[in-house]
Amino acid sequence: DTGVSQDPRHKITKRGQNVTFRCDPISEHNRLYWYRQTLGQGPEFLTYFQNEAQLEKSRLLSDRFSAERPKGSFSTLEIQRTEQGDSAMYLCASSVTGELFFGEGSRLTVL
Amino acid sequence: GDSVTQMEGPVTLSEEAFLTINCTYTATGYPSLFWYVQYPGEGLQLLLKATKADDKGSNKGFEATYRKETTSFHLEKGSVQVSDSAVYFCALTSAPRAGYSTLTFGKGTMLLVSP
Repeated sequence: DTGVSQDPRHKITKRGQNVTFRCDPISEHNRLYWYRQTLGQGPEFLTYFQNEAQLEKSRLLSDRFSAERPKGSFSTLEIQRTEQGDSAMYLCASSVTGELFFGEGSRLTVL
Repeated sequence: GDSVTQMEGPVTLSEEAFLTINCTYTATGYPSLFWYVQYPGEGLQLLLKATKADDKGSNKGFEATYRKETTSFHLEKGSVQVSDSAVYFCALTSAPRAGYSTLTFGKGTMLLVSP
């Protein structure tokens, strides 16, 4: 399967710990997006990369959040000093133009 | 800013019933409209889209028509199947910036179809 891959699928952590999620987009997709989905809500845009450049960040992306895409391929999303409000599904999507292809998401539970 | 409002679920139907899931939007300019579907345990998948007023998107028996006058993009299917049970998300993207666009999603509507 050559779809968007996310790892880990589920992460349980204690408040105050740091967590990192990885996204491997469909190969040759130069655009990569991160979204966050909380229970009962639709996905909310966090940030966007075109190749290795981070071109847009939502105001939802606080200073504790950082995303990188160092070589224009895979991306990481790190959350520092996690809070219970960070519990959510973190979705990654990639595209060439137009249609976004989503991964299955990484679920974060902060205790 | 942009927003999407969907009818709340769950929507519970018997197999072969007619389905409508309402979606209305607020956006600047001339957005493109989408329906995404999320089957249990899977990622979001694009179901259909429409890029301008009066366009009809269709796929797998589902249809939605872009109605600019009522700012709506209701999803319909004439005869649902058990396999259609999923969460459906209405979404839009406003005028692209620098060649890309971000999606604004509704809250999602769960559809449960019983045999």
